[in-house]
Amino acid sequence: KAGVTQTPRYLIKTRGQQVTLSCSPISGHRSVSWYQQTPGQGLQFLFEYFSETQRNKGNFPGRFSGRQFSNSRSEMNVSTLELGDSALYLCASAQGVEAFFGQGTRLTVV
Amino acid sequence: QKEVEQNSGPLSVPEGAIASLNCTYSDRGSQSFFWYRQYSGKSPELIMFIYSNGDKEDGRFTAQLNKASQYVSLLIRDSQPSDSATYLCAVPSTGTASKLTFGTGTRLQVTL
Repeated sequence: KAGVTQTPRYLIKTRGQQVTLSCSPISGHRSVSWYQQTPGQGLQFLFEYFSETQRNKGNFPGRFSGRQFSNSRSEMNVSTLELGDSALYLCASAQGVEAFFGQGTRLTVV
Repeated sequence: QKEVEQNSGPLSVPEGAIASLNCTYSDRGSQSFFWYRQYSGKSPELIMFIYSNGDKEDGRFTAQLNKASQYVSLLIRDSQPSDSATYLCAVPSTGTASKLTFGTGTRLQVTL
Protein backbone atom coordinates (compact mmCIF):
# COMPACT_ATOMS: atom_id res chain seq x y z
CA LYS A 1 0.00 0.00 0.00
CA ALA A 2 1.58 3.25 -1.07
CA GLY A 3 2.07 5.94 1.56
CA VAL A 4 1.40 9.64 1.46
CA THR A 5 3.24 11.34 -1.36
CA GLN A 6 4.18 14.99 -1.33
CA THR A 7 5.71 16.93 -4.17
CA PRO A 8 8.01 18.64 -4.56
CA ARG A 9 10.38 17.71 -1.75
CA TYR A 10 12.27 20.99 -1.83
CA LEU A 11 11.44 24.46 -3.05
CA ILE A 12 13.20 27.78 -3.03
CA LYS A 13 11.07 30.83 -3.69
CA THR A 14 11.50 34.58 -3.51
CA ARG A 15 9.51 36.86 -1.24
CA GLY A 16 6.27 37.94 -2.86
CA GLN A 17 5.96 34.88 -5.06
CA GLN A 18 3.31 32.23 -4.65
CA VAL A 19 3.76 28.48 -4.33
CA THR A 20 1.64 25.37 -4.72
CA LEU A 21 2.36 22.12 -2.93
CA SER A 22 0.78 18.78 -3.71
CA CYS A 23 -0.24 15.80 -1.60
CA SER A 24 -1.57 12.41 -2.63
CA PRO A 25 -3.07 10.53 0.32
CA ILE A 26 -3.10 6.84 0.99
CA SER A 27 -5.54 5.09 -1.30
CA GLY A 28 -8.99 5.08 0.26
CA HIS A 29 -8.31 7.92 2.69
CA ARG A 30 -10.58 10.89 2.16
CA SER A 31 -9.18 13.19 4.83
CA VAL A 32 -6.08 15.24 4.06
CA SER A 33 -4.61 17.63 6.59
CA TRP A 34 -1.80 20.13 6.19
CA TYR A 35 0.66 21.22 8.85
CA GLN A 36 3.48 23.71 9.02
CA GLN A 37 6.57 22.82 11.04
CA THR A 38 9.12 25.41 12.10
CA PRO A 39 11.82 25.27 14.79
CA GLY A 40 10.15 28.06 16.75
CA GLN A 41 6.48 27.08 16.56
CA GLY A 42 6.65 23.33 16.10
CA LEU A 43 3.93 21.52 14.19
CA GLN A 44 0.89 23.67 13.56
CA PHE A 45 -2.33 22.69 11.88
CA LEU A 46 -3.19 24.61 8.74
CA PHE A 47 -6.40 23.01 7.43
CA GLU A 48 -8.10 19.76 6.63
CA TYR A 49 -10.06 18.66 3.61
CA PHE A 50 -12.56 15.85 3.47
CA SER A 51 -14.44 14.89 0.33
CA GLU A 52 -13.37 18.09 -1.43
CA THR A 53 -14.61 20.34 1.42
CA GLN A 54 -12.55 22.22 3.95
CA ARG A 55 -13.67 20.74 7.23
CA ASN A 56 -11.27 22.33 9.71
CA LYS A 57 -9.06 25.39 9.61
CA GLY A 58 -6.19 26.55 11.79
CA ASN A 59 -5.09 30.07 12.68
CA PHE A 60 -3.21 31.05 9.57
CA PRO A 61 -3.72 34.11 7.38
CA GLY A 62 -5.76 33.96 4.22
CA ARG A 63 -2.58 33.75 2.15
CA PHE A 64 -2.67 30.06 2.96
CA SER A 65 -5.32 28.18 1.07
CA GLY A 66 -5.97 24.71 -0.19
CA ARG A 67 -8.26 22.50 -2.14
CA GLN A 68 -9.01 18.86 -2.64
CA PHE A 69 -9.90 17.04 -5.81
CA SER A 70 -12.35 14.23 -6.38
CA ASN A 71 -9.54 11.66 -6.23
CA SER A 72 -8.65 13.01 -2.74
CA ARG A 73 -5.40 14.56 -3.88
CA SER A 74 -4.90 17.92 -2.25
CA GLU A 75 -3.00 21.08 -3.02
CA MET A 76 -1.92 23.85 -0.73
CA ASN A 77 -1.19 27.33 -1.99
CA VAL A 78 0.66 30.16 -0.29
CA SER A 79 0.48 33.56 -1.93
CA THR A 80 2.69 36.59 -1.40
CA LEU A 81 5.38 34.58 0.31
CA GLU A 82 7.14 36.00 3.36
CA LEU A 83 10.47 34.99 4.86
CA GLY A 84 8.59 33.56 7.84
CA ASP A 85 6.83 31.07 5.59
CA SER A 86 10.07 29.11 5.34
CA ALA A 87 9.17 25.78 6.90
CA LEU A 88 8.57 22.11 6.41
CA TYR A 89 5.03 21.61 5.13
CA LEU A 90 3.59 18.25 6.00
CA CYS A 91 0.53 16.58 4.67
CA ALA A 92 -1.27 13.88 6.64
CA SER A 93 -3.72 11.32 5.36
CA ALA A 94 -6.16 10.23 8.05
CA GLN A 95 -8.66 7.47 8.48
CA GLY A 96 -10.33 7.16 11.83
CA VAL A 97 -7.84 7.45 14.62
CA GLU A 98 -4.64 7.16 12.61
CA ALA A 99 -2.90 9.90 10.67
CA PHE A 100 0.04 9.14 8.39
CA PHE A 101 2.41 11.83 7.27
CA GLY A 102 4.11 12.36 3.96
CA GLN A 103 7.81 13.20 3.75
CA GLY A 104 7.03 16.88 3.55
CA THR A 105 7.99 19.75 1.33
CA ARG A 106 10.84 21.94 2.56
CA LEU A 107 10.07 25.50 1.49
CA THR A 108 12.74 28.15 1.70
CA VAL A 109 11.78 31.75 1.05
CA VAL A 110 14.66 34.07 0.22
CA GLN B 1 -1.46 28.53 28.02
CA LYS B 2 -0.35 26.02 25.41
CA GLU B 3 -2.79 23.21 24.87
CA VAL B 4 -0.19 20.45 24.83
CA GLU B 5 3.07 20.84 26.70
CA GLN B 6 6.24 18.83 26.62
CA ASN B 7 9.71 19.36 27.97
CA SER B 8 11.90 20.09 24.96
CA GLY B 9 14.89 18.24 26.39
CA PRO B 10 17.24 16.92 25.34
CA LEU B 11 16.60 13.91 27.49
CA SER B 12 19.73 11.83 27.61
CA VAL B 13 19.59 8.17 28.68
CA PRO B 14 22.19 5.42 28.41
CA GLU B 15 21.62 2.48 26.12
CA GLY B 16 19.48 -0.17 27.80
CA ALA B 17 17.83 2.23 30.23
CA ILE B 18 14.19 3.28 30.37
CA ALA B 19 13.35 6.61 28.79
CA SER B 20 10.35 8.43 30.22
CA LEU B 21 8.70 11.15 28.14
CA ASN B 22 5.90 13.26 29.54
CA CYS B 23 3.11 15.38 28.13
CA THR B 24 0.39 17.48 29.76
CA TYR B 25 -2.74 18.80 28.10
CA SER B 26 -5.19 21.50 28.99
CA ASP B 27 -8.51 20.29 27.55
CA ARG B 28 -10.19 18.02 30.07
CA GLY B 29 -12.52 16.82 27.32
CA SER B 30 -9.69 15.24 25.34
CA GLN B 31 -10.39 11.58 24.82
CA SER B 32 -7.43 10.22 22.91
CA PHE B 33 -3.73 10.85 22.73
CA PHE B 34 -1.04 10.08 20.23
CA TRP B 35 2.70 9.65 20.35
CA TYR B 36 4.72 10.31 17.21
CA ARG B 37 8.42 9.85 16.64
CA GLN B 38 10.29 12.16 14.31
CA TYR B 39 13.84 11.58 13.21
CA SER B 40 15.83 14.60 12.16
CA GLY B 41 14.86 15.65 8.66
CA LYS B 42 12.06 13.12 8.46
CA SER B 43 8.30 13.21 8.91
CA PRO B 44 6.50 12.12 12.10
CA GLU B 45 5.52 8.49 12.38
CA LEU B 46 2.82 7.18 14.70
CA ILE B 47 4.09 5.03 17.56
CA MET B 48 1.01 4.59 19.70
CA PHE B 49 -2.33 6.00 20.65
CA ILE B 50 -4.19 5.59 23.91
CA TYR B 51 -7.78 6.23 24.99
CA SER B 52 -8.25 4.68 28.37
CA ASN B 53 -6.73 5.52 31.71
CA GLY B 54 -3.87 3.24 32.60
CA ASP B 55 -1.16 1.62 30.53
CA LYS B 56 -1.01 0.39 26.96
CA GLU B 57 1.97 -1.67 25.90
CA ASP B 58 3.36 -2.30 22.43
CA GLY B 59 6.72 -3.99 22.34
CA ARG B 60 9.28 -1.81 24.08
CA PHE B 61 6.84 1.11 24.25
CA THR B 62 4.29 1.77 26.99
CA ALA B 63 1.88 4.67 26.94
CA GLN B 64 0.39 5.77 30.23
CA LEU B 65 -2.67 7.98 30.57
CA ASN B 66 -3.97 9.75 33.64
CA LYS B 67 -7.01 11.83 32.71
CA ALA B 68 -7.55 13.15 36.24
CA SER B 69 -4.08 14.70 36.23
CA GLN B 70 -4.21 15.48 32.51
CA TYR B 71 -0.96 13.87 31.57
CA VAL B 72 0.15 11.17 29.23
CA SER B 73 3.57 9.60 29.15
CA LEU B 74 5.59 7.31 26.95
CA LEU B 75 8.07 4.83 28.36
CA ILE B 76 10.70 3.26 26.15
CA ARG B 77 12.28 0.20 27.67
CA ASP B 78 15.74 -1.06 26.72
CA SER B 79 16.48 2.20 24.91
CA GLN B 80 18.57 1.88 21.78
CA PRO B 81 20.63 4.48 19.92
CA SER B 82 18.10 4.12 17.10
CA ASP B 83 15.46 5.52 19.47
CA SER B 84 17.24 8.88 19.40
CA ALA B 85 14.65 11.19 17.90
CA THR B 86 12.10 13.82 18.83
CA TYR B 87 8.93 12.45 20.38
CA LEU B 88 5.76 14.41 19.79
CA CYS B 89 2.62 14.20 21.87
CA ALA B 90 -0.59 15.01 19.98
CA VAL B 91 -4.20 15.51 20.91
CA PRO B 92 -7.02 15.45 18.35
CA SER B 93 -9.31 18.46 18.33
CA THR B 94 -12.05 16.40 16.77
CA GLY B 95 -12.99 12.78 17.32
CA THR B 96 -10.54 11.63 14.68
CA ALA B 97 -6.91 12.19 13.80
CA SER B 98 -7.76 14.71 11.10
CA LYS B 99 -6.86 17.73 13.25
CA LEU B 100 -4.07 17.24 15.74
CA THR B 101 -2.62 19.68 18.24
CA PHE B 102 1.02 18.84 18.84
CA GLY B 103 3.34 19.56 21.68
CA THR B 104 6.72 20.99 20.79
CA GLY B 105 8.32 17.59 21.24
CA THR B 106 11.00 16.12 23.49
CA ARG B 107 14.35 15.32 21.95
CA LEU B 108 15.67 11.98 23.19
CA GLN B 109 19.33 11.05 23.00
CA VAL B 110 20.32 7.47 23.76
CA THR B 111 24.02 7.29 24.52
CA LEU B 112 26.33 4.30 24.13
